[in-house]
Amino acid sequence: QKEVEQNSGPLSVPEGAIASLNCTYSDRGSQSFFWYRQYSGKSPELIMFIYSNGDKEDGRFTAQLNKASQYVSLLIRDSQPSDSATYLCAVNPNTGNQFYFGTGTSLTVIP
Amino acid sequence: EPEVTQTPSHQVTQMGQEVILRCVPISNHLYFYWYRQILGQKVEFLVSFYNNEISEKSEIFDDQFSVERPDGSNFTLKIRSTKLEDSAMYFCASSVGQGKDEAFFGQGTRLTVV
Repeated sequence: QKEVEQNSGPLSVPEGAIASLNCTYSDRGSQSFFWYRQYSGKSPELIMFIYSNGDKEDGRFTAQLNKASQYVSLLIRDSQPSDSATYLCAVNPNTGNQFYFGTGTSLTVIP
Repeated sequence: EPEVTQTPSHQVTQMGQEVILRCVPISNHLYFYWYRQILGQKVEFLVSFYNNEISEKSEIFDDQFSVERPDGSNFTLKIRSTKLEDSAMYFCASSVGQGKDEAFFGQGTRLTVV
């Protein structure tokens, strides 16, 4: 069973702070990692993907991947109330074309 | 910006009835997926479809489920005899390629079985 684990939260941060979201995965052979944002009742919206160890930055978002530790994280700098959502970590194990999702971390940014 | 579109947005059906959920993937994408999300739970993979055939399916995707690409644009999920536990949000997604390529999701169809 390929597991993707996330801290369900809720995680609360003040506006302007850095929000840190974490994800671990069980399949060591996984190659592709994705962060989706999901507002309540809406569909997952892709924020970032990362394939290589290290950091990848896109605007206020930074994804970090450590394959040795089987760990991927998402940092949101200068958090805004509009960032309040559930953040889903998704992993593709590279043995097929499905994604395994975590249960999501609920983030609330307090104005 | 191209997007995955799904219809209907909400479907209410009686237990035992057949339902068909429809999706129009992004036009240059080659891989199509159905996922579901039961309220309050994680997004779960159902099936992937490539080159007019199922390429992968999960344990959830049993004989009650089928998928079809009846023409060049639509991708459908059929549930033959719905059960109460089929109530969920069903998301269609598509990607250019498999594996490393990101999948883009439609807005979902909320299926309620009564």
